[in-house]
Amino acid sequence: DVKVTQSSRYLVKRTGEKVFLECVQDMDHENMFWYRQDPGLGLRLIYFSYDVKMKEKGDIPEGYSVSREKKERFSLILESASTNQTSMYLCASSPELWGAAYNEQFFGPGTRLTVL
Amino acid sequence: RKEVEQDPGPFNVPEGATVAFNCTYSNSASQSFFWYRQDCRKEPKLLMSVYSSGNEDGRFTAQLNRASQYISLLIRDSKLSDSATYLCVVSRGSQGNLIFGKGTKLSVKP
Repeated sequence: DVKVTQSSRYLVKRTGEKVFLECVQDMDHENMFWYRQDPGLGLRLIYFSYDVKMKEKGDIPEGYSVSREKKERFSLILESASTNQTSMYLCASSPELWGAAYNEQFFGPGTRLTVL
Repeated sequence: RKEVEQDPGPFNVPEGATVAFNCTYSNSASQSFFWYRQDCRKEPKLLMSVYSSGNEDGRFTAQLNRASQYISLLIRDSKLSDSATYLCVVSRGSQGNLIFGKGTKLSVKP
């Protein structure tokens, strides 16, 4: 079974703090993604990575950065947390894309981040 | 038109009912289509892919109409365990990422 794990289920931080959210997958997937999910807004893509050391902006990258130093690990960084970044953060991975075919994304359990 | 649009519901149905969800998408270049299921306070999981010819998996049937840019999911003989939010998911053009709809909430009552 594919397993995607996230470092914390719940996290409480203060405004201005630097926050690291870690994601690890054990299936040697090339692609990894970070989303946030908010009521009424659905899942929105923050950043994604198709390879080690590679990153691409998603739909809402402002206020976030990412790091992928190893294939299995994809980190989301909030440089200076703000209250509007309170959300559920979901990491996902998928195997390599082939042409126009897309593969299933496997999600981690999520991290509920509260910024006070 | 929003990239992926779904009726948020909730759909409240009795056990055994047949229920259908619809979804429209805006990008005619989209190539791949899926339905994901998300239980309360859990992560989304793939329910089924949607193929041009339509496909069935047990009590679940998915249909795709490319001309109308419309996807549907039919659930027959609803079970209590089908209660969840169903997410319509579409690829962003021929290359790119997946776009998730906001979901349709289903509640199956005894």
